[in-house]
Amino acid sequence: DAGVTQSPTHLIKTRGQQVTLRCSPKSGHDTVSWYQQALGQGPQFIFQYYEEEERQRGNFPDRFSGHQFPNYSSELNVNALLLGDSALYLCASDTRQGGEQYFGPGTRLTVT
Amino acid sequence: QKEVEQNSGPLSVPEGAIASLNCTYSDRGSQSFFWYRQYSGKSPELIMSIYSNGDKEDGRFTAQLNKASQYVSLLIRDSQPSDSATYLCAVTGTDKLIFGTGTRLQVFP
Repeated sequence: DAGVTQSPTHLIKTRGQQVTLRCSPKSGHDTVSWYQQALGQGPQFIFQYYEEEERQRGNFPDRFSGHQFPNYSSELNVNALLLGDSALYLCASDTRQGGEQYFGPGTRLTVT
Repeated sequence: QKEVEQNSGPLSVPEGAIASLNCTYSDRGSQSFFWYRQYSGKSPELIMSIYSNGDKEDGRFTAQLNKASQYVSLLIRDSQPSDSATYLCAVTGTDKLIFGTGTRLQVFP
């Protein structure tokens, strides 16, 4: 049973650049949520996708955008990167009925 | 007031002891409650979920929920050095997970 996968594992970008992170949900899951985790903090909800639409959004600026594809995989895009965007970006999946969310290994983004 | 609060620790317990981790939440409408374990540099791993008042046991782990007091706890029996990690409490609010900052647990031999 394939778990949640994310790519890339690590990424280094320069301020002002754009980045795209990718996520494939756990087999049987159709809902993908993205979280940002800064060092020493709990994950912060960015947004959630279901049926290729953004269903909920956390307190993040419009520089953060996403997409979900028909196969339920998802992308997170961040434009005009700031130093403060350096964090671990986590993707979690579950079913639309809610319940337990399972996390992928994360993408460590460093902005210099 | 933070939505989900945890003591950041570290909580240090000897091997074989019971570790008790606590969490309070502010939204009385919360329906689902989770404990995740996170090793340094890794992603959170789901270890327990609880949805109704009372206790839920799974192996060495027991989750306790008291909705009236807006309180969730996790007990780890027979703690092992491999249990040393950060434990994140998460609460659902309209399908999204709201996390606390985590409690760092250290189990020493």
